[in-house]
Amino acid sequence: GAVVSQHPSWVICKSGTSVKIECRSLDFQATTMFWYRQFPKQSLMLMATSNEGSKATYEQGVEKDKFLINHASLTLSTLTVTSAHPEDSSFYICSATNVYEQYFGPGTRLTVT
Amino acid sequence: KQEVTQIPAALSVPEGENLVLNCSFTDSAIYNLQWFRQDPGKGLTSLLLIQSSQREQTSGRLNASLDKSSGRSTLYIAASQPGDSATYLCAPMGGNKLVFGAGTILRVKS
Repeated sequence: GAVVSQHPSWVICKSGTSVKIECRSLDFQATTMFWYRQFPKQSLMLMATSNEGSKATYEQGVEKDKFLINHASLTLSTLTVTSAHPEDSSFYICSATNVYEQYFGPGTRLTVT
Repeated sequence: KQEVTQIPAALSVPEGENLVLNCSFTDSAIYNLQWFRQDPGKGLTSLLLIQSSQREQTSGRLNASLDKSSGRSTLYIAASQPGDSATYLCAPMGGNKLVFGAGTILRVKS
């Protein structure tokens, strides 16, 4: 099956700093990637849809200037959390699609102190 | 806007029981529906994908059914094992977006 990786798997950063998370599709080309956020004991909420070579589409309530998404190639999308605050601490999961199915990465645990 | 409800929210059963997890969704205009498993602190594992034209899919001890017109899907787990303990998520796909339910937390006791 298709494999999606994320890096790092966990990160701790100080309040006010920026953190970049990478999402890679390892064995297929993904024209579309998705970024989700999951708070403890809650389900996944879609943050944005990322299309290769174009600007990301953000869901309502997600600050595009805070969560910068870049989809520079068919196998790589990055999410940068800018000026992170403790309330941004969460589990961030990406997925990549081959049109018919979404394949999920293992997630990145972000803790902002 | 698609809304997904999963019942029950939590379930605790003894090993060996057969069980049914329920999922309902409000918008029947879906492309497919996926069931996922999530272990604590981990990512998602895809269990079954049912296309909108299909009624059910089976994989090992798992069987998922889909009734698109009534907005319902069920996941049937046969002969449950302690290793089945996890959160199970249902997610219909409309357009190219998945919408997740809150999940059912399953605990299978040995």
